[in-house]
Amino acid sequence: RKEVEQDPGPFNVPEGATVAFNCTYSNSASQSFFWYRQDCRKEPKLLMSVYSSGNEDGRFTAQLNRASQYISLLIRDSKLSDSATYLCVVNPASGGSYIPTFGRGTSLIVHP
Amino acid sequence: EAGVVQSPRYKIIEKKQPVAFWCNPISGHNTLYWYRQNLGQGPELLIRYENEEAVDDSQLPKDRFSAERLKGVDSTLKIQPAELGDSAVYLCASSLNSGSWGGFGDEKLFFGSGTQLSVL
Repeated sequence: RKEVEQDPGPFNVPEGATVAFNCTYSNSASQSFFWYRQDCRKEPKLLMSVYSSGNEDGRFTAQLNRASQYISLLIRDSKLSDSATYLCVVNPASGGSYIPTFGRGTSLIVHP
Repeated sequence: EAGVVQSPRYKIIEKKQPVAFWCNPISGHNTLYWYRQNLGQGPELLIRYENEEAVDDSQLPKDRFSAERLKGVDSTLKIQPAELGDSAVYLCASSLNSGSWGGFGDEKLFFGSGTQLSVL
């Protein structure tokens, strides 16, 4: 089993739709969780940190479920500019292990 | 504030040739990472530095790959000799620290634009 797993998609949605991605992780000791966005042929850029209580930034909501070991990203009112690959990152950040581990990414295509 | 700077942006070489990548992290960032990203995959860690010390290099193919971070600032990653399977994007990232000390969230990664390597 991979340490961080994501459905590669693509998720093909119309503008204005709500779309959600999940990411599961295997290391129960993980402490830090992030979502990164990667545009085609560009570097990953931090989208959101994921906190235990969940957090929201405009149209984006991230949540953490420690019991089931997954994090989620919800995008409301999708825009054409949201089309990108969304990478889940998990970092144990404890116990001597500080390796940010990436999922393979979920591709989102928002169409008119 | 300047971001992470990488060079070159693109590199095309023939197999068995050597190649080197350079990275200058964000000023003040103690932790530096080299990742490799294949098409359709997420970045995979090659090596992590805490200042000038390599602390995670288990995924670095040491028979052909080497890295250094002299003086704990900029870093170079070298491949010698390159193989066809080394074609990928090599990404450098830095963070304030790794999270092993200091504040939570200091381990957020900031990436350079990467080097697209093509081995023919």
